[in-house]
Amino acid sequence: ETGVTQSPTHLIKTRGQQVTLRCSSQSGHNTVSWYQQALGQGPQFIFQYYREEENGRGNFPPRFSGLQFPNYSSELNVNALELDDSALYLCASSLRLAGASTDTQYFGPGTRLTVL
Amino acid sequence: DQQVKQNSPSLSVQEGRISILNCDYTNSMFDYFLWYKKYPAEGPTFLISISSIKDKNEDGRFTVFLNKSAKHLSLHIVPSQPGDSAVYFCAASANNNNDMRFGAGTRLTVKP
Repeated sequence: ETGVTQSPTHLIKTRGQQVTLRCSSQSGHNTVSWYQQALGQGPQFIFQYYREEENGRGNFPPRFSGLQFPNYSSELNVNALELDDSALYLCASSLRLAGASTDTQYFGPGTRLTVL
Repeated sequence: DQQVKQNSPSLSVQEGRISILNCDYTNSMFDYFLWYKKYPAEGPTFLISISSIKDKNEDGRFTVFLNKSAKHLSLHIVPSQPGDSAVYFCAASANNNNDMRFGAGTRLTVKP
């Protein structure tokens, strides 16, 4: 069973640029959630994708967007980067079953984004 | 809005003793609670969870207690081991789990 993987591990960008982060779900999982973790804080929910559709969004501006592909892998895109976007970006996958109210999320190692 | 709070940024415990990590929440709609452990340079690892219909869940050395009236949960680790040294995050979600809220974490150090 393959765990959640993310690429790249580290990334440095400048203000105003755009970035794409990638996530491969754990085998058999159909749901992907993205989180932003700033230094000294807990992860903050950005959005979730279930079966290629956005299934909930946190308090992040529209310049944060995402995609989920038929193989359930996912991308997080951030446009017009700002200095405060510097953080660890975590992807988590889970298996959502019909009728289930909860599912446990399994995290990847994260992508460390630095915006200069 | 900090709906999940871990008020102790750090905790130090002697090997073999009990570690108790605490978490408070404000949103009464939360019905599912989880604890994650995070080592440096790794993503959070799921440890244990509890549904709001229960007040206790045990898995080996780890036990989570939920006090709904106080909106408080705690993680007990006994006996604590040096390998338990990590940052522990409390998380909570409501209904369909598409917006999980995390606390800021507590760094546990277990001394040999």
